[in-house]
Amino acid sequence: AQSVTQLDSHVSVSEGTPVLLRCNYSSSYSPSLFWYVQHPNKGLQLLLKYTSAATLVKGINGFEAEFKKSETSFHLTKPSAHMSDAAEYFCVVLDRGSTLGRLYFGRGTQLTVWP
Amino acid sequence: GAVVSQHPSWVICKSGTSVKIECRSLDFQATTMFWYRQFPKQSLMLMATSNEGSKATYEQGVEKDKFLINHASLTLSTLTVTSAHPEDSSFYICSARGGTGVSNSYEQYFGPGTRLTVT
Repeated sequence: AQSVTQLDSHVSVSEGTPVLLRCNYSSSYSPSLFWYVQHPNKGLQLLLKYTSAATLVKGINGFEAEFKKSETSFHLTKPSAHMSDAAEYFCVVLDRGSTLGRLYFGRGTQLTVWP
Repeated sequence: GAVVSQHPSWVICKSGTSVKIECRSLDFQATTMFWYRQFPKQSLMLMATSNEGSKATYEQGVEKDKFLINHASLTLSTLTVTSAHPEDSSFYICSARGGTGVSNSYEQYFGPGTRLTVT
C-alpha cells in the first residue's frame, strides 16, 4: 500500500532563512515521489520528482529534496526562503502497482514566510 | 509542453441545477484523466479515474449518479455535477496522464482548477 505523511501542517520561517518541509512515505514498490506547490485558488505546480535516479533531486525555484530509503523520507528543503514561497506544499507518491497510475497525496504543509 | 486546461475557472450556480466542467490536455493525448476535489485548507481527494472510451472508476463514497464523468476523447474529459447543492461547493481539479506527446507516461499534469459555488 502507498501512503504519505507530511509531518507538519504549518511551517513558518523568516525570509532568507532555510526551509524544511518533512515527508515520510510508505510504498510497496520502489517509489516515485513528487513535491507540488499550490498557491491560493490555483492548481498544482510540480516542484520536483524522484524516480529512482539520483537521490538528491533539484527542482525549480531553488528547492531540492533528498530521497532516503533507510528513513523512508523525502524532505523538501530550500536554503533561503523568499516571500513568494508562501503557499501550500504537497508530498505525493505514485502507486506503481496501479495500471491507472494513481497518486497518493499528503495532507499538505502550509508555508508562511515572514518579512 | 504537457499543458492541461479547465473550463470554467469558476462558476456560480443555483441549487438544483447541473454544472459541467471541462478538462483538456492541450498538447498531448491523455490516456487517463483524474478528477479531484479539494475543500478549503485540505488536501486533494481523488473522486474518479477515467480512460478514454470507457466508464470511469469512482472512489468509494463518490456518487456516480451525482458526478457524471465522460471521457469523450484523448484530449477531453468532462465532469458534470448534477442537481448541485451547497455542499457540492468546492475546488475541482483535473489531471491528465499522458501517452502520445509526453516523455513520461506515468506523470500526471494538473489543470488550474475550477471553483464551484452553489447558492
